[in-house]
Amino acid sequence: GAVVSQHPSWVICKSGTSVKIECRSLDFQATTMFWYRQFPKQSLMLMATSNEGSKATYEQGVEKDKFLINHASLTLSTLTVTSAHPEDSSFYICRGGGLFTEAFFGQGTRLTVV
Amino acid sequence: QKEVEQNSGPLSVPEGAIASLNCTYSDRGSQSFFWYRQYSGKSPELIMFIYSNGDKEDGRFTAQLNKASQYVSLLIRDSQPSDSATYLCAVIQGGKLIFGQGTELSVKP
Repeated sequence: GAVVSQHPSWVICKSGTSVKIECRSLDFQATTMFWYRQFPKQSLMLMATSNEGSKATYEQGVEKDKFLINHASLTLSTLTVTSAHPEDSSFYICRGGGLFTEAFFGQGTRLTVV
Repeated sequence: QKEVEQNSGPLSVPEGAIASLNCTYSDRGSQSFFWYRQYSGKSPELIMFIYSNGDKEDGRFTAQLNKASQYVSLLIRDSQPSDSATYLCAVIQGGKLIFGQGTELSVKP
């Protein structure tokens, strides 16, 4: 089956620094990648939808200048958390594939900002 | 009103019993419904999807959809300790996959 490889699986960074999370589709072309964030004991919240070669669409309340999404190729989408703060500590998950098909999640990235 | 609602639990059942997980959704126009299982610290994995009213069975899992009442449920027969996880209901609404907050299931040996 289709696989989305997400890296890193966990990262600890200092407050004020930036962190890049990568999601690669290994055996299919992900024209669309969905980025979610999940706080402990809470649901997955959609942050943004990225489409290859175009600007990402951000959900209401998500700062596009803070969460930079790049989807420059059909196999790679990245999320950069800029000037990270402790409140950005969360579990970030990407999902590739079509909306109505089986959703292929990445393994998730646990971000801890200290 | 939340778009997709689940009882957060925890729901505790003995090994071998039937676990029943419920989910309601707000958008009557929703057409596609999914159940995911999520272990702690891991990303969700798809268990089942259902599009039509009625039941859909896959092994020990049965998804039930009632569009008139706007609820979807998941039954797990012969529950095993390895089924202990958080179960997420997800619904396609407005072109987006919206998740409920999840129900934590604990299967006691």
